[in-house]
Amino acid sequence: DAGVIQSPRHEVTEMGQEVTLRCKPISGHDYLFWYRQTMMRGLELLIYFNNNVPIDDSGMPEDRFSAKMPNASFSTLKIQPSEPRDSAVYFCASKQPGLAWEQFFGPGTRLTVL
Amino acid sequence: EDKVVQSPLSLVVHEGDTVTLNCSYEVTNFRSLLWYKQEKKAPTFLFMLTSSGIEKKSGRLSSILDKKELFSILNITATQTGDSAIYLCAVNRDDKIIFGKGTRLHILP
Repeated sequence: DAGVIQSPRHEVTEMGQEVTLRCKPISGHDYLFWYRQTMMRGLELLIYFNNNVPIDDSGMPEDRFSAKMPNASFSTLKIQPSEPRDSAVYFCASKQPGLAWEQFFGPGTRLTVL
Repeated sequence: EDKVVQSPLSLVVHEGDTVTLNCSYEVTNFRSLLWYKQEKKAPTFLFMLTSSGIEKKSGRLSSILDKKELFSILNITATQTGDSAIYLCAVNRDDKIIFGKGTRLHILP
């Protein structure tokens, strides 16, 4: 298996632009998590899905952030409009049901908003 | 509010030293405590702890959990430059994991 796939790996954009991050979970995994990592705040859970349904989005910072999972093999995290403080590494992770600790992380997307 | 607090935030030691990383937590519906190592990319799993007082060991790394004091430590003996990384403590509650901010460990040759 190729593992969790994220794209793009790096994104540089200007303030005010829309940013879309993409994630393909491991086949057969029915949980998908979006995390954001910064030096100041560490690794934060933004939202997670189970069977394509958002379960907990309490970590989503504000209305500029939205996430979708239209099917079991694809999810997006969108920021519109982007701001410099959104600069971070965004990780996607997936897992099978039952063993919550066994999350498999993707390589991350490094976002820089100028 | 659930929280996981790690200390120190950063640590610099010489190769061969022993280090102890700390993690305290306040989480409802606690299931397990996890340690991850993060080098340049995504976190990789080290240990899962569910019971107090039982040490988990993997080579030079070991960890133990105190569920009464809501505390865990990660020990690394005879450190090597390859141990340089961010070490993340996390607590599993329900279906999600809450991470601490990590300890950035740097090993000098």
